[in-house]
Amino acid sequence: EDKVVQSPLSLVVHEGDTVTLNCSYEVTNFRSLLWYKQEKKAPTFLFMLTSSGIEKKSGRLSSILDKKELFSILNITATQTGDSAIYLCAVERGSEKLVFGKGTKLTVNP
Amino acid sequence: DTGVSQDPRHKITKRGQNVTFRCDPISEHNRLYWYRQTLGQGPEFLTYFQNEAQLEKSRLLSDRFSAERPKGSFSTLEIQRTEQGDSAMYLCASSRTGEQYFGPGTRLTVT
Repeated sequence: EDKVVQSPLSLVVHEGDTVTLNCSYEVTNFRSLLWYKQEKKAPTFLFMLTSSGIEKKSGRLSSILDKKELFSILNITATQTGDSAIYLCAVERGSEKLVFGKGTKLTVNP
Repeated sequence: DTGVSQDPRHKITKRGQNVTFRCDPISEHNRLYWYRQTLGQGPEFLTYFQNEAQLEKSRLLSDRFSAERPKGSFSTLEIQRTEQGDSAMYLCASSRTGEQYFGPGTRLTVT
């Protein structure tokens, strides 16, 4: 059965801290891994990763995929209160459906 | 706004009633997906269309659920004889290739 596991499930930090969110997966017919940010509404797209070892960056956020060890990390540097959200990891299968993890709830305190 | 839109945003219904939700994808996207999300969980796949063809359905989609995309543009998701366990956020997403973009969701509460 396809499985996506995120850790930690919950994280509380202070503004300015750097955080690393983890995502491991066991999925047949892997195509890509995606990260989404979810506040009190629908998930918003952050990154799509298809190749191992190539870091994707967007401002203070970055992500990398390891297809040999079957995991990805999402880094957020110099966190701000606006980064508080649930971060979802999803793996796209060959059938194009996404299999999601439960998410990591990040709280950034001022 | 050219993003994915969903209607209604909230629906409260009594157990046993039928409900229908609508999703309008981003206009040039030929793929459309429905997911369901409950509290503390990530979204779970329900079904997927490429143009008007329904290509995959999850085991979660019991025979009370039906989805259509008649002209390959908007889609509807109908739930018949709703049960309290159907209470959830129903999310629609669309894509052309690669990343899926999500709509705001329809929150269903079955009383």
